[in-house]
Amino acid sequence: AQKITQTQPGMFVQEKEAVTLDCTYDTSDPSYGLFWYKQPSSGEMIFLIYQGSYDQQNATEGRYSLNFQKARKSANLVISASQLGDSAMYFCAMEGPRNSNASKIIFGSGTRLSIQP
Amino acid sequence: KAGVTQTPRYLIKTRGQQVTLSCSPISGHRSVSWYQQTPGQGLQFLFEYFSETQRNKGNFPGRFSGRQFSNSRSEMNVSTLELGDSALYLCASSATSEITDTQYFGPGTRLTVL
Repeated sequence: AQKITQTQPGMFVQEKEAVTLDCTYDTSDPSYGLFWYKQPSSGEMIFLIYQGSYDQQNATEGRYSLNFQKARKSANLVISASQLGDSAMYFCAMEGPRNSNASKIIFGSGTRLSIQP
Repeated sequence: KAGVTQTPRYLIKTRGQQVTLSCSPISGHRSVSWYQQTPGQGLQFLFEYFSETQRNKGNFPGRFSGRQFSNSRSEMNVSTLELGDSALYLCASSATSEITDTQYFGPGTRLTVL
């Protein structure tokens, strides 16, 4: 069964520093996709970045990059030059099991990131 | 392009009542999924609708139901509310029902059951 693990319940980082949010996953599907979402206190889940398992390069979107290590089954999110507005919950997620009636996306438990001035 | 919208944003109900939540997907998106988010259980999948048909369903009791209209708008209904139904209900839309399609979420409806 698919599983996403985020081992950091919370992180405190100084503004302008880079931050890495950890994510490991488990799946038996040979092809899969990984996502990161940001959830501010307002509640909306904001899509940040996507990495396909067969993508040759790590995904990047502005200040966000995904450090994808397939052999280690890890998909860490890296935020460069953190800003106060980056304070939020961050969820790692992956595509649900294919050919099933389960959820299209499975979420980790989240990491609460707090950026300090 | 407008994002996913959900109404109402906040609701307060009492036990035993029923509630209907609404979700309007991004224009052109035909798949709508619903999730329940609680501090204890995290994000849990409720169901997915595509072209007015329920495609997938999570492990929730029959009190939770939904439907989708021809314009892709979706409603979720919870009958006989229980205290444990207090949660943030998130709706997400994607262009198709393909699992590889990125889902875009709305702001959620925060339901409080007293």
